[in-house]
Amino acid sequence: KAGVTQTPRYLIKTRGQQVTLSCSPISGHRSVSWYQQTPGQGLQFLFEYFSETQRNKGNFPGRFSGRQFSNSRSEMNVSTLELGDSALYLCASSPYQGPSYEQYFGPGTRLTVT
Amino acid sequence: GDSVTQMEGPVTLSEEAFLTINCTYTATGYPSLFWYVQYPGEGLQLLLKATKADDKGSNKGFEATYRKETTSFHLEKGSVQVSDSAVYFCALSGGGADGLTFGKGTHLIIQP
Repeated sequence: KAGVTQTPRYLIKTRGQQVTLSCSPISGHRSVSWYQQTPGQGLQFLFEYFSETQRNKGNFPGRFSGRQFSNSRSEMNVSTLELGDSALYLCASSPYQGPSYEQYFGPGTRLTVT
Repeated sequence: GDSVTQMEGPVTLSEEAFLTINCTYTATGYPSLFWYVQYPGEGLQLLLKATKADDKGSNKGFEATYRKETTSFHLEKGSVQVSDSAVYFCALSGGGADGLTFGKGTHLIIQP
């Protein structure tokens, strides 16, 4: 079974631009969660989508948004990029909704904002 | 809010040494507790979990016991190998809907 895939793996953007990251979950998984990983703040929960609906949201500004498609693939969008948005963005999938179930993580997208 | 505290390291040990990575947590209610491991260049993988007090999670020689009285979930292994070199994250899932709350991660280096 293929694992969680994230594209692109690396991205460089300029302040003020917007960016879209993509995540393809494991086949059959309906939940997709996104996390931001930085050296200073560690891993922080962004949001979770299940059956195309956002179920949970972390404490991030509205510039961070996402969506999930009918095939469970998910995209995350960050508008008006700031230097502090430079991070590794991890996507995780699960067959069920909620973090209590085992999360399967992708390798991440490394975003650098200059 | 919920929080997880763990030693950040790096922790450097010799092969076959005994490993303990401390993890303590603050949470309301009765969280589930997890250890995830991240090998270089890979995503996080669930190592073990425990869902209630006194539960012991175990996998690949690693163990951790859910201690409610001390709000701890320390990771232990009796004899580490070079292949155990990785970053280990302690995490909790509270009763709410805020995703996993992670500690900062402990970088473990095992020398032959």
